[in-house]
Amino acid sequence: GAGVSQTPSNKVTEKGKYVELRCDPISGHTALYWYRQSLGQGPEFLIYFQGTGAADDSGLPNDRFFAVRPEGSVSTLKIQRTERGDSAVYLCASSRTSGHLYNEQFFGPGTRLTVL
Amino acid sequence: DAKTTQPPSMDCAEGRAANLPCNHSTISGNEYVYWYRQIHSQGPQYIIHGLKNNETNEMASLIITEDRKSSTLILPHATLRDTAVYYCIASDKLIFGTGTRLQVFP
Repeated sequence: GAGVSQTPSNKVTEKGKYVELRCDPISGHTALYWYRQSLGQGPEFLIYFQGTGAADDSGLPNDRFFAVRPEGSVSTLKIQRTERGDSAVYLCASSRTSGHLYNEQFFGPGTRLTVL
Repeated sequence: DAKTTQPPSMDCAEGRAANLPCNHSTISGNEYVYWYRQIHSQGPQYIIHGLKNNETNEMASLIITEDRKSSTLILPHATLRDTAVYYCIASDKLIFGTGTRLQVFP
C-alpha cells in the first residue's frame, strides 16, 4: 500500500525566501508529525498534529516555522524568511493512534531543503 | 523524557547476531522503549517497542532489564541490508539521539 509521501524531494531556495513542504500521510492515520534532520544527527521533533489541530508544536524553532493540516490529512510545513541554518532534511511521519504512547510512526522519505 | 546513551558504532558479521545496547537510566515508569532504524537516505523505520517485558517480532527481539535502565536490541541473523543507524528512544515523544551506526560486513 501507499506509504507516507513528501514533496518535493529536493528544494533549493535563496536566503530570505518562503518555502512550503508537503506531506501526504497514510490514509486513515490521524496523527501526523514533522521532524528536521541535520547531517549526522537524529531527527528532531518539530510539531505533532492530531486530526486538524496541532497537539504539540513545542519543537518549532521560532515563529518563522508554521504548519497546517486543514482537513486532517495532508499537511504543509511553511518556512518564512529562510536562513542558511534551515538547511536540513524535513521528515514527515504518520501513525494510527492518538498521542505519543506506543505509536508506530511511518516515515516518509523526506524533503531535502537547501538554503543558499 | 529519558535520555538514552548508545555506542556510536558497531560492526557485525553477516549471519551473526547483532546485539545493540542502550542505556536509559532516567526512564520513568510509564515510558516505553522504542527502537527505530534509518537506512542511508531513507526515513526512519519502526522496529519494535516494549515497556517491561521482553518483546519479539519478525524483525528483532528487545530485551529490557528488570530495572528498566537499559535494553538490548537483537537482530538474530544480521544481513547486509541491516546496515543502518539504530535509534533507541525512551520517551513518549520520539526524541532521537545520534544512534548506533551498525555496519554488517560479509
